[in-house]
Amino acid sequence: GQSLEQPSEVTAVEGAIVQINCTYQTSGFYGLSWYQQHDGGAPTFLSYNALDGLEETGRFSSFLSRSDSYGYLLLQELQMKDSASYFCAVRNGLGGYQKVTFGIGTKLQVIP
Amino acid sequence: EAQVTQNPRYLITVTGKKLTVTCSQNMNHEYMSWYRQDPGLGLRQIYYSMNVEVTDKGDVPEGYKVSRKEKRNFPLILESPSPNQTSLYFCASSPLRDQTQYFGPGTRLLVL
Repeated sequence: GQSLEQPSEVTAVEGAIVQINCTYQTSGFYGLSWYQQHDGGAPTFLSYNALDGLEETGRFSSFLSRSDSYGYLLLQELQMKDSASYFCAVRNGLGGYQKVTFGIGTKLQVIP
Repeated sequence: EAQVTQNPRYLITVTGKKLTVTCSQNMNHEYMSWYRQDPGLGLRQIYYSMNVEVTDKGDVPEGYKVSRKEKRNFPLILESPSPNQTSLYFCASSPLRDQTQYFGPGTRLLVL
């Protein structure tokens, strides 16, 4: 089966940098995705890593190490609107691009 | 506007009364999926579909049925709802070989 572990809560100061880690155990790994979900809203896609290394999209970056089964989401120049839950997810299966497993989510609180 | 729609958004029902939650996407995506979200458990996949007439179980399929007769629609059927199916449900879609999932707004279900 698949499992992902991420911290349940993180608190950070506005303007600072925060890193949210995700470790996974899975078969047929095809990459690690990150989603953001504000309270009462739907998850929205942030980034995806299929290969080792860093992917940057504006203030958000995501990193993957396949050998360590580990990834992280890095949020820079934190803003109050970044307060949300962040989920890592893997999509895998024998034929690829099939079953999706999410972590339990990390609730990020940004404080002034 | 590219979107995933779900109906109804809110539903209160009683144990054993069959119900259907509809999901429709206008992006011509092959992959569609249903998730339930419960506090402390994150998003868990119920069923997914890789194309018309192709569906498969996710991690928590018990008590649910799906069908994919048209590419745009992927209804979730609860033939005999029970209180443990009280949850927030999300439908999502993506191109088959793309990790970016687009989520619907969610359906909040209460089974009494």
